Amino acid sequence: NAGVTQTPKFQVLKTGQSMTLQCAQDMNHEYMSWYRQDPGMGLRLIHYSVGAGITDQGEVPNGYNVSRSTTEDFPLRLLSAAPSQTSVYFCASSYSWGSTNEKLFFGSGTQLSVL
Amino acid sequence: QQQVKQSPQSLIVQKGGISIINCAYENTAFDYFPWYQQFPGKGPALLIAIRPDVSEKKEGRFTISFNKSAKQFSLHIMDSQPGDSATYFCAASILDDMRFGAGTRLTVKP
Repeated sequence: NAGVTQTPKFQVLKTGQSMTLQCAQDMNHEYMSWYRQDPGMGLRLIHYSVGAGITDQGEVPNGYNVSRSTTEDFPLRLLSAAPSQTSVYFCASSYSWGSTNEKLFFGSGTQLSVL
Repeated sequence: QQQVKQSPQSLIVQKGGISIINCAYENTAFDYFPWYQQFPGKGPALLIAIRPDVSEKKEGRFTISFNKSAKQFSLHIMDSQPGDSATYFCAASILDDMRFGAGTRLTVKP
């Protein structure tokens, strides 16, 4: 079991460029989510999905798109990168949500710098 | 407005001492309160969690104390070890909405 796999680990973009952060899990988890981690701000939820074909916005969704075509994959798209999107991004998954089993499994993160 | 406030930002403790990290929340609907531990270069990992129907939960050296009326909860690390040095995040959730505190960087000196 690889768990939650994120690629790439590091990325540098220029302002205005677009890119996709990849996230895959092999635990057959229904719930997947994206967080960004900034100093002094903790982890903030960007988007989440409770199953294939279902996505919803979190706390800080602006500038990001997501889709969930399969249970395993949950890519995060930056449409037009801005310096304010410089952050460490974490993908997380859970067996289900709104139930007693709410342990989140996190990937190892993607460090993104936007110049 | 940050829904979960965590303190202190950083904490230095001697080996064998007790580390205490505090969190306060706003939304009384929150029904799940986990603590996550994060080592440098790694993603957070669940350490211990509590639900509001109990006031304390202990797992080994780690204890969560929960005060529902004060809307506060805390993590106590007994006999702190250098290997406990990490960043700790408290969180609070209801259904699909989980909010994290800003994190506490713990350093345990040998």
